[in-house]
Amino acid sequence: NAGVTQTPKFQVLKTGQSMTLQCAQDMNHNSMYWYRQDPGMGLRLIYYSASEGTTDKGEVPNGYNVSRLNKREFSLRLESAAPSQTSVYFCASSEQTGPYGYTFGSGTRLTVV
Amino acid sequence: GESVGLHLPTLSVQEGDNSIINCAYSNSASDYFIWYKQESGKGPQFIIDIRSNMDKRQGQRVTVLLNKTVKHLSLQIAATQPGDSAVYFCAESNNAGNMLTFGGGTRLMVKP
Repeated sequence: NAGVTQTPKFQVLKTGQSMTLQCAQDMNHNSMYWYRQDPGMGLRLIYYSASEGTTDKGEVPNGYNVSRLNKREFSLRLESAAPSQTSVYFCASSEQTGPYGYTFGSGTRLTVV
Repeated sequence: GESVGLHLPTLSVQEGDNSIINCAYSNSASDYFIWYKQESGKGPQFIIDIRSNMDKRQGQRVTVLLNKTVKHLSLQIAATQPGDSAVYFCAESNNAGNMLTFGGGTRLMVKP
């Protein structure tokens, strides 16, 4: 099925470990986004990529890096995981920059111990 | 800073009744608003959107109302069904339209 695919679905890290969350979309969308969702809270934007080759910081970028590998793929990297980064991470894509027609992935549940 | 918030964290309704979920926003320059539905273990799904030049927009069983005077947004679900049980988020676009700002979410629980 067409959509946004995130891997892994679950991950447990020790404090200080690094990892990369993968996201791929097959809808030929130009823009991609990474959000985090903490319990009882809305989604907060970490980074976004308006188009291939560009990335910009969102509301909560500290402790993260991103790579827009190509038009399909947008990865999120935690260089040195901290317990405060325990969250559910959602990738999304849209045909154009802006909120129109966001399609979200099913999320990655990350726990940092 | 700019924020989008919700009045009620949990709403419990009887199956068949109408549901109203409210949302307040603070950025009067926002020009686009969206409601998302998030079921347990899934990503948010688009429900309905509205632009600031409109007061009301209807979809299938859902209606969004926008009151710019008091910066208030609401989602009305007619004849609420068990499948409507989820967390509902409102979101607004920023001035550049590059980012969505989400509210904290309201959990809708439908009693059989």
